[in-house]
Amino acid sequence: EADIYQTPRYLVIGTGKKITLECSQTMGHDKMYWYQQDPGMELHLIHYSYGVNSTEKGDLSSESTVSRIRTEHFPLTLESARPSHTSQYLCASSAMRGTGPSTNEKLFFGSGTQLSVL
Amino acid sequence: QKEVEQDPGPLSVPEGAIVSLNCTYSNSAFQYFMWYRQYSRKGPELLMYTYSSGNKEDGRFTAQVDKSSKYISLFIRDSQPSDSATYLCAMNTGFQKLVFGTGTRLLVSP
Repeated sequence: EADIYQTPRYLVIGTGKKITLECSQTMGHDKMYWYQQDPGMELHLIHYSYGVNSTEKGDLSSESTVSRIRTEHFPLTLESARPSHTSQYLCASSAMRGTGPSTNEKLFFGSGTQLSVL
Repeated sequence: QKEVEQDPGPLSVPEGAIVSLNCTYSNSAFQYFMWYRQYSRKGPELLMYTYSSGNKEDGRFTAQVDKSSKYISLFIRDSQPSDSATYLCAMNTGFQKLVFGTGTRLLVSP
């Protein structure tokens, strides 16, 4: 079983609050990802990292930011939450190395954080 | 038009049935095809992985790729209630990030 953890599992918060979603993995993976998943919709990549001090924006525009100071930790921050940010956020990691093409990349996902902004 | 199309379901079957889950895609450059299973309130987990065309079998699961038709399938034999989950197909060219389908919700009744 993959060792990737997300906290909190559920978060209900008011508009305008700053929030940080935590993601940690104990597998020593270099690559980490944040996906957004809404009911009936495909997973959308919002951020990814190739390793420490590397962060990239994904395919879906997001007002969130990420940091990668340690290999095992990839937190996602929303400076001012809005109702449009309500969604499930999934963190994933991959054993693939390097910044090049991702061929047979296999992702390990956390259980997700369900965020509700009122 | 989405790059990957997947019927959201739900697909309801009795225990023991053979289940067929499918995805179609538009990008002929896709070479790597995966199936993820996602239980309720959990993250997806990799179930099957195939490269290019052909079949791959793993226990009760068979993944099939038909690149000429741009069509992939996941077959589940002797389905069990524990197979009830959402199944997501995913694919890439090898030079981009994974593209996911919307997922098909499967319900297997005892």
